Amino acid sequence: GEDVEQSLFLSVREGDSSVINCTYTDSSSTYLYWYKQEPGAGLQLLTYIFSNMDMKQDQRLTVLLNKKDKHLSLRIADTQTGDSAIYFCAESNPGNTGKLIFGQGTTLQVKP
Amino acid sequence: GAVVSQHPSWVICKSGTSVKIECRSLDFQATTMFWYRQFPKQSLMLMATSNEGSKATYEQGVEKDKFLINHASLTLSTLTVTSAHPEDSSFYICSARGTGVVFRETQYFGPGTRLLVL
Repeated sequence: GEDVEQSLFLSVREGDSSVINCTYTDSSSTYLYWYKQEPGAGLQLLTYIFSNMDMKQDQRLTVLLNKKDKHLSLRIADTQTGDSAIYFCAESNPGNTGKLIFGQGTTLQVKP
Repeated sequence: GAVVSQHPSWVICKSGTSVKIECRSLDFQATTMFWYRQFPKQSLMLMATSNEGSKATYEQGVEKDKFLINHASLTLSTLTVTSAHPEDSSFYICSARGTGVVFRETQYFGPGTRLLVL
């Protein structure tokens, strides 16, 4: 079945770049997403990428997709303390039922 | 755009009572809404998919008589936890999937409802 995996924890210093990685198993995924969750809150959509794209940049965020290796990454440039949160990678259900398959989430800790 | 609200944001209830949680898409029409449950420091677990005007589709292992879902309009879905017990205590999050080229493929999440059953 579909599976999405992420590393559980990443710690960086303020001002550095953060790279959060994600791997998925279903090659027929059409959309891949990055969501951010702050403590006690819902999920905020950060960005998404179509499976026929290699890269997408949006201000400080850069998403890279390696479809051959089924690897997705999120790079946050100039990481700030406000970026501390849990980041979830998700893929859309290939049957187009709208379901999202989530990774376990990566906790990003930004040290001042 | 694409704002989803939930009400209440938190609720404490006694064991055996029923609790209703509302999920609203404020500025778009949601043909499909999803209900998730999240335990501390864990990922989201999909409970059910709710389509406007039809019965919800429940994931395996989720009791449909325990978690009643109603999606009566294109902007409102409700989740009722019936006869709640302490093990139902959790963070419940809804999401809404809209129509249109972009909205159709993206889920927008509500802020979540924290339920504590005593």
